[in-house]
Amino acid sequence: QSVLTQPPSVSAAPGQKVTISCSGSDSNIGSNFVSWYQQLPGTAPKLLIFEINKRPSGIPDRFSGSRSGTSATLGITGLQTGDEADYYCGTWDSLSAQWVFGGGTKVTVL
Amino acid sequence: QVDLQESGPGLVKPSETLSLTCTVSGASVSGSSYYWGWIRQPPGKGLEWIGTIYYGGRTNYTPSLRGRVAISVATSMNQFSLRLSFVTAADTAVYYCARLDIAVVDFWGQGTLVTVSS
Repeated sequence: QSVLTQPPSVSAAPGQKVTISCSGSDSNIGSNFVSWYQQLPGTAPKLLIFEINKRPSGIPDRFSGSRSGTSATLGITGLQTGDEADYYCGTWDSLSAQWVFGGGTKVTVL
Repeated sequence: QVDLQESGPGLVKPSETLSLTCTVSGASVSGSSYYWGWIRQPPGKGLEWIGTIYYGGRTNYTPSLRGRVAISVATSMNQFSLRLSFVTAADTAVYYCARLDIAVVDFWGQGTLVTVSS
């Protein structure tokens, strides 16, 4: 049971948009920056979004992040077959003093 | 560019101790700007933070492993290590070493699969 809640899967056709939600609480998403990670099959996770909505160098602007209260959202526009992966949200939980991740969301391009 | 590389046995017997080392290049493990830690992923499952070591050697561990886990730093080698004692099959996972900031894991190792089996 993950501290942060994500939908197990989302899907859309190529070129379409998907959003992935990440629900937490006041002690994690509500009070700390959220980051998102992309894990392609058989590889290590890679940083996609940090500090809620910032992209590291090399990450296309098709990927975006936002936060509202105790929930965060990752958006992917112009969906491509290469975007098929598992996506995880993560942040620091101030109450338990530990890093927490969501359970992961599998993105499928139809 | 920061690179991290895990090393250690891929097979550990139940009740024994799992030991992994992470070799870092492109950054100093003795610097005060970042933290260094371990994250694991059981086969087919999600990510689980194990623990982190901070500047000065202060550590923080996930409550579920506290008492069995220890993270240490070897500054002369620019490495940090994980020890997990009394392992069971539930500890079988891909183990990642990583660099962390307060709310971001910005660099990850490629991961190493550790199987607990007799």
